[in-house]
Amino acid sequence: DAGVTQSPTHLIKTRGQHVTLRCSPISGHKSVSWYQQVLGQGPQFIFQYYEKEERGRGNFPDRFSARQFPNYSSELNVNALLLGDSALYLCASSLAGQVQYFGPGTRLTVT
Amino acid sequence: QQQVKQSPQSLIVQKGGISIINCAYENTAFDYFPWYQQFPGKGPALLIAIRPDVSEKKEGRFTISFNKSAKQFSLHIMDSQPGDSATYFCAASRINTGTASKLTFGTGTRLQVTL
Repeated sequence: DAGVTQSPTHLIKTRGQHVTLRCSPISGHKSVSWYQQVLGQGPQFIFQYYEKEERGRGNFPDRFSARQFPNYSSELNVNALLLGDSALYLCASSLAGQVQYFGPGTRLTVT
Repeated sequence: QQQVKQSPQSLIVQKGGISIINCAYENTAFDYFPWYQQFPGKGPALLIAIRPDVSEKKEGRFTISFNKSAKQFSLHIMDSQPGDSATYFCAASRINTGTASKLTFGTGTRLQVTL
């Protein structure tokens, strides 16, 4: 069975640009969460979606937004990129309850 | 506000030795405590998890010890192997029925197992 997939793998953007990251959850999983992992730190929670509704938001500015589609895949959008947005962006999916399975992440570099 | 504190930041253990990583949490509402293993360039992979109704859980060479009164939990890796060399994260969350729960992670421990 395919695990959580994310695209693209790597991305280089310039300050001020916009970026869209994509995630496909494990088949049958209805919940997707997004995390930001800055180099050398633990992942930080950004968003949680369940059945296409936002169920939680972390302490991130409004430049960050996300949505979940009817097929449960998800997009994370970041506007007006800053150098500090450079990080590994992780998507996690869950069937229900607490067990979250992470994808390989998208490495975003902002120059 | 860091709600989960993890130590040590790095750890070097000889092959066959025991690796011990500790975490402490502040939010008494947390009721699910997983450990994740992450290799460079990869996403975190769930290793083992525990609920506060038990004090210990063992899966193969990995054991979680949980002390609810002290608000601490630890990961023990028995018979550590070079392939265990990775970064380990503890995490904590509140379980919400029917939905995934926000994970609060520690800062990570980089484990190196030497020959």
